[in-house]
Amino acid sequence: GDSVTQMEGPVTLSEEAFLTINCTYTATGYPSLFWYVQYPGEGLQLLLKATKADDKGSNKGFEATYRKETTSFHLEKGSVQVSDSAVYFCALSERSGGYQKVTFGTGTKLQVIP
Amino acid sequence: EAQVTQNPRYLITVTGKKLTVTCSQNMNHEYMSWYRQDPGLGLRQIYYSMNVEVTDKGDVPEGYKVSRKEKRNFPLILESPSPNQTSLYFCASSRGPTDYGYTFGSGTRLTVV
Repeated sequence: GDSVTQMEGPVTLSEEAFLTINCTYTATGYPSLFWYVQYPGEGLQLLLKATKADDKGSNKGFEATYRKETTSFHLEKGSVQVSDSAVYFCALSERSGGYQKVTFGTGTKLQVIP
Repeated sequence: EAQVTQNPRYLITVTGKKLTVTCSQNMNHEYMSWYRQDPGLGLRQIYYSMNVEVTDKGDVPEGYKVSRKEKRNFPLILESPSPNQTSLYFCASSRGPTDYGYTFGSGTRLTVV
């Protein structure tokens, strides 16, 4: 079945550092890929998405590129802020029979220190 | 404001006492889903619904029921809660298959003692 693997956290960075959170996936077809962010005490929010190979999703300074050859969708940001501290989830979405099957990674906690 | 509303936010109950967690969305989304979030396990799907009166099991459906009588509402029912259902629950909705991400509710933290 489908699966999503994220790097273990927590990831601790100083403000203005470069961020990479790795995400790789296995899927039977051609999934859409997503990054969600969860701030403390809140639900998940869609951060960015890419629906086909080589697409780049971007939002709020975060970027991720759909790499079919390496089955990866790594999240990057050039300069993190304290307000980026949250848990980040990689996910894929694929048609399975007649419905939408969404598979989430286990999440990576990011801590940004001033 | 487009949103998914869950109630209650926090709930402490005793083993065996039936409870319902409500979920409502105002975006006219067809797809709705319930997830539970547990440390180290990420999010696991409990049930989902593709449209009114169409529901099906996710990965961890045991001990839960759902219904979809109206497009906007998708309640989660625990007929006889047990301590292993202590978790953080999220309702989510989506406009359509695959290419659209989910909009999540704020979560319901359930403790069963």
